Amino acid sequence: DAMVIQNPRYQVTQFGKPVTLSCSQTLNHNVMYWYQQKSSQAPKLLFHYYDKDFNNEADTPDNFQSRRPNTSFCFLDIRSPGLGDAAMYLCATSRDLDGRKGAYNEQFFGPGTRLTVL
Amino acid sequence: GQQLNQSPQSMFIQEGEDVSMNCTSSSIFNTWLWYKQDPGEGPVLLIALYKAGELTSNGRLTAQFGITRKDSFLNISASIPSDVGIYFCAGQLNGNTPLVFGKGTRLSVIA
Repeated sequence: DAMVIQNPRYQVTQFGKPVTLSCSQTLNHNVMYWYQQKSSQAPKLLFHYYDKDFNNEADTPDNFQSRRPNTSFCFLDIRSPGLGDAAMYLCATSRDLDGRKGAYNEQFFGPGTRLTVL
Repeated sequence: GQQLNQSPQSMFIQEGEDVSMNCTSSSIFNTWLWYKQDPGEGPVLLIALYKAGELTSNGRLTAQFGITRKDSFLNISASIPSDVGIYFCAGQLNGNTPLVFGKGTRLSVIA
């Protein structure tokens, strides 16, 4: 089945130790997103890729970076995790329906990676 | 920035009852989406709405895109235990803007 896969499902890291979360998709969608979700809150968009074009949200800390080496894979790098970065990180994808950078909707989410910072 | 007001924040219902939740916005959205999130999992898309006034069903779920473009509701009929979870509404202004999520409605079903 076509899907969005996130690895690992659970990640434990130490304060200040760089960590990378990965996302892959078999949907062949051209848009990929990274969200941060803290307990009992809505997902918060960090950034997204439209094909290879990177779009950062204005309030996303510099500590968060992303790479998209190809259509299928996208990575979230946290350069120096702090205690406040402990959260669920969700990857999502969508397909631009009309090729004009429209239709950023019908986002399909992966199962998430729960990050613990010690 | 834009905000969605989603209500109720939580609800406890008996199995078999119908459920209704809604989202309102101070500004217009041109797309409304409803997601369900189980504990420890990512949100799953339930229903997508693209036209003002549109009423769409998915099994026991029915959602409507408000005629003013500033609200949407989700109804669940004959609730069952597996309906438990957090339901999020999300709105999108236009094709180049990201989704704006509501804060979620936590549903508990008592057997």
